[in-house]
Amino acid sequence: GNSVTQMEGPVTLSEEAFLTINCTYTATGYPSLFWYVQYPGEGLQLLLKATKADDKGSNKGFEATYRKETTSFHLEKGSVQVSDSAVYFCALAVWMNYGGSQGNLIFGKGTKLSVKP
Amino acid sequence: GAGVSQSPSNKVTEKGKDVELRCDPISGHTALYWYRQSLGQGLEFLIYFQGNSAPDKSGLPSDRFSAERTGGSVSTLTIQRTQQEDSAVYLCASSLHDRGKTQYFGPGTRLLVL
Repeated sequence: GNSVTQMEGPVTLSEEAFLTINCTYTATGYPSLFWYVQYPGEGLQLLLKATKADDKGSNKGFEATYRKETTSFHLEKGSVQVSDSAVYFCALAVWMNYGGSQGNLIFGKGTKLSVKP
Repeated sequence: GAGVSQSPSNKVTEKGKDVELRCDPISGHTALYWYRQSLGQGLEFLIYFQGNSAPDKSGLPSDRFSAERTGGSVSTLTIQRTQQEDSAVYLCASSLHDRGKTQYFGPGTRLLVL
């Protein structure tokens, strides 16, 4: 089946520290990979995405590379800020070649990041 | 506004009552998704609409849950005879129907069943 595994939180870092949140996946078909972020009291927002192997998604200083050989999509940021404190979700969407493509997102459990000044 | 909207934002109901949750997708988005976010289960997919059709209802947790979409736009998720385990945040998302297209999420409806 299709699934996403991401590192358990919470993760607590000091401002300007390097961030890595690991994400691995299992998928059949042709997965696209996503990182969504949920800031305190807000809804889910797309942070970045990659739709094919070796693509790199990037946004707001965050990056993730779609690695088919290791089935991974790890999220990284070189220097975190207090404003990055949020819950981060890795997700995949699998598009199958039967009559109706679907593409619903399958989410990891989420990783809570707290950044201290 | 230009985003996905959901109503009500919060709903408190008594066990056994029926509830209706509404989603207004982004104009022009043909694909619409319902998800549920709960402490124990994380984010779960419930149902997907392409236009007014729901090709896959396998994510619905029980036959108390149903959903419809009319005019290729507004969708309603109905939970009959609510149970306490139905308490969760119900999220709606919409996208253009194309591989890899971004799903845009609404703010959710927080449902509490007493």
